[in-house]
Amino acid sequence: GEDVEQSLFLSVREGDSSVINCTYTDSSSTYLYWYKQEPGAGLQLLTYIFSNMDMKQDQRLTVLLNKKDKHLSLRIADTQTGDSAIYFCAESMNSGYSTLTFGKGTMLLVSP
Amino acid sequence: DTAVSQTPKYLVTQMGNDKSIKCEQNLGHDTMYWYKQDSKKFLKIMFSYNNKELIINETVPNRFSPKSPDKAHLNLHINSLELGDSAVYFCASSQESGGYTGELFFGEGSRLTVL
Repeated sequence: GEDVEQSLFLSVREGDSSVINCTYTDSSSTYLYWYKQEPGAGLQLLTYIFSNMDMKQDQRLTVLLNKKDKHLSLRIADTQTGDSAIYFCAESMNSGYSTLTFGKGTMLLVSP
Repeated sequence: DTAVSQTPKYLVTQMGNDKSIKCEQNLGHDTMYWYKQDSKKFLKIMFSYNNKELIINETVPNRFSPKSPDKAHLNLHINSLELGDSAVYFCASSQESGGYTGELFFGEGSRLTVL
């Protein structure tokens, strides 16, 4: 986790957009991921982006990657109470195995 | 059907005891992992097995011993439990051959409390 940094907490109102930020240090990272962990559950992959992309959109999710600044963000449009969870940023090098390094997670709290 | 299942879900035990956590995946994946999540939600890889062979072994005390009887199972045995072993242990699997996405499929976790 020391190579991937995230803010620990974000609170938004239902219907607003949420932006969760992440910085990483390994410039050779090939893939970057966002995982979601709901209470009492394991992590679930939300989306991932290849390092040669700047943006990826998937329904309400938009991932932005700034390789120069080693900055990754996840924007959730029209945030719902069901989006309340911990969101983990992770980086991986394609070393042949999924050697993911996770950030410490950002707890997103969505209030009605 | 649960894709990655771990047992037990909760485990409370005394210091010094030996305990095991079992994991099974029915996804046909070739690689399995154990991760440890501490009380601050920090998630760190412990071990990884590919087709029953150990490929990642992070700096984990020798008291932790993984065993993979086949590629669908990866068990974790912990000897002489210490207070600092209290955490949630997650099993995960992935398919590494035939195209790489790095997607890990996680179990629901096994919460270990050492008293």
